Amino acid sequence: DVKVTQSSRYLVKRTGEKVFLECVQDMDHENMFWYRQDPGLGLRLIYFSYDVKMKEKGDIPEGYSVSREKKERFSLILESASTNQTSMYLCASTLGGDRDNSPLHFGNGTRLTVT
Amino acid sequence: QKEVEQDPGPLSVPEGAIVSLNCTYSNSAFQYFMWYRQYSRKGPELLMYTYSSGNKEDGRFTAQVDKSSKYISLFIRDSQPSDSATYLCASSNTGGFKTIFGAGTRLFVKA
Repeated sequence: DVKVTQSSRYLVKRTGEKVFLECVQDMDHENMFWYRQDPGLGLRLIYFSYDVKMKEKGDIPEGYSVSREKKERFSLILESASTNQTSMYLCASTLGGDRDNSPLHFGNGTRLTVT
Repeated sequence: QKEVEQDPGPLSVPEGAIVSLNCTYSNSAFQYFMWYRQYSRKGPELLMYTYSSGNKEDGRFTAQVDKSSKYISLFIRDSQPSDSATYLCASSNTGGFKTIFGAGTRLFVKA
């Protein structure tokens, strides 16, 4: 089974702080994703990465950046946290490859509160 | 119009009932259809993954896709209190990439 591990389950940060959310997968997947989940809005894609040091913007990248220095690790960075970034953040991965049609496998999420 | 529409519920049923969860989608290019189950304060867990039209069965769960009407369904037979969760439907034309999710339906199964 794929295991996607997010380092923190709950985080509370202050407005203006720089925040790092960490995600590790153990199945040698090439693709990794960051989503946020909000009531009534569902899951929205922030960024994804299809290879080490490669990244692509998703639907809502503003206010976020990402880092992928190693294949198994994908970090989401909030450069200056704001209250509207209070949300559940979900990391996911897929197998990858040229014709990848494998489904997303998710971690258990990090619930971030910005005060 | 959202690309994947799902009634948020909540849906409350007695234990043992047959549950029907439904979604519609608008993009004819979607080929892959997924159902995820999400327990409170946990991440979504893949329940069913189907390609194109037809039915797929796994234990008490049956996923059904009708591409002609752009309709996706999940049936749960003999529902149990442990099935109480939010169910997310999702569609994609490429599998993992560009997966579009419905808002999720909250299901309560009462003992």
